[in-house]
Amino acid sequence: GAVVSQHPSWVICKSGTSVKIECRSLDFQATTMFWYRQFPKQSLMLMATSNEGSKATYEQGVEKDKFLINHASLTLSTLTVTSAHPEDSSFYICSARRTGWDNSPLHFGNGTRLTVT
Amino acid sequence: QQPVQSPQAVILREGEDAVINCSSSKALYSVHWYRQKHGEAPVFLMILLKGGEQKGHDKISASFNEKKQQSSLYLTASQLSYSGTYFCGTQGGNTPLVFGKGTRLSVIA
Repeated sequence: GAVVSQHPSWVICKSGTSVKIECRSLDFQATTMFWYRQFPKQSLMLMATSNEGSKATYEQGVEKDKFLINHASLTLSTLTVTSAHPEDSSFYICSARRTGWDNSPLHFGNGTRLTVT
Repeated sequence: QQPVQSPQAVILREGEDAVINCSSSKALYSVHWYRQKHGEAPVFLMILLKGGEQKGHDKISASFNEKKQQSSLYLTASQLSYSGTYFCGTQGGNTPLVFGKGTRLSVIA
C-alpha cells in the first residue's frame, strides 16, 4: 500500500511555456503533500507544502507565482511551472503522508525530470 | 534547518560495514532514513521516533540519540545492492521533513 503516482515521468518543453506535474496518492488520503526539487548530485530541497483546500506554504526563495500549487482533493496535488526557463530544469519529486499519520514516513512519487530548452 | 550528514561519500568492498551519521542543531522529533538510486525516487528505509530507539531490517539498522540530536545508520556486511545515496530527513515537531545533503555509498565486488 501507500503508493504515490507522479505524472509525467519526464517532460521537455520550450522556454516560456508552462508545465503541469500531477501527484496522486492512489490508496490513501493525503491532506498534505510536499514538493521537492533535486539538482544533479544534490539533496532533495523542499519547495513547498501543499495543503488540501487551502494555500500552499512555500519555502524561502521559492517564487509562488512561478511554481503554482493546487491541492484540489485529498488525493491530488499539482505543480505548474509557469514560464519555464532552462534554469528550472531539474528533477521534481512529490511526496505524501497519510492523513492523520504525522509520524509515518513520506511516500515518494517516481519524480518528473523537467528539461527546458 | 538542514541536518549534517557524514561522511559525504564512502566506498566499500562487499561484506564490509559502514556507518552514516546525521546530526542536527535543532531538537529532533523524528529521523527518517531513505536510499536513492541514480535517477530514481528515494525509497524509505526506516523511521526513528523516540530517543534511544534502535531498529533494523536485514543488515541495516539505525539508532536515534535524542539528547545529542543525532542518528546513525549502520550497514553490516554490505551488498552490491546497498549502493546509492543515503539521505536522513529530520523533523522538529510539526514541520516538514528536511533532508541532509546525502552520503554516496559505493559497494564494489
